[in-house]
Amino acid sequence: DVKVTQSSRYLVKRTGEKVFLECVQDMDHENMFWYRQDPGLGLRLIYFSYDVKMKEKGDIPEGYSVSREKKERFSLILESASTNQTSMYLCASRTDPSTGELFFGEGSRLTVL
Amino acid sequence: EDQVTQSPEALRLQEGESSSLNCSYTVSGLRGLFWYRQDPGKGPEFLFTLYSAGEEKEKERLKATLTKKESFLHITAPKPEDSATYLCAVRPIKAAGNKLTFGGGTRVLVKP
Repeated sequence: DVKVTQSSRYLVKRTGEKVFLECVQDMDHENMFWYRQDPGLGLRLIYFSYDVKMKEKGDIPEGYSVSREKKERFSLILESASTNQTSMYLCASRTDPSTGELFFGEGSRLTVL
Repeated sequence: EDQVTQSPEALRLQEGESSSLNCSYTVSGLRGLFWYRQDPGKGPEFLFTLYSAGEEKEKERLKATLTKKESFLHITAPKPEDSATYLCAVRPIKAAGNKLTFGGGTRVLVKP
């Protein structure tokens, strides 16, 4: 069965802390994505990666960075967390760019105090 | 700028009461339109892909249709287990990396 696993379901951090959100997929997918989801704003793309060590900015990359050292793992980094980064973060992967079928993880709910 | 607007934001239905959700989009060119279902506390789950106007897809009580400016998700005789947020997304022809643009979703609550 297809699986995208996000390392933490719930996190509480303080302003200024460095935050790592990890995502692992077991489907050998080349494309991976990080979204954030906020009420009324829908899903917004932060960063995506075509392949290992490749990354592209999405629509809202400010305040975030990513790392993809291995094909199965895509990490989202908040260098200095701020309260406006409190959100639900969703990781997704995709094997075939010709389809829109993304496989999502269960999400990481981050609260920044 | 590519935009996706879903309406209504929320929908309360009685079990068996059929209804439709709307997804209006503005894109320079459409490569595909996608519907997802999201249960509370979980990630979205893929439902359908529609590629061209006039196309229809069905899955159990759900039927998705596509025109040149909008898509509808029809829920026929819904059951409580159809309660979820339904998300619409488009993939514009010129989207870098074939990325998707999502709408805000429609929260559906089906009461027994």
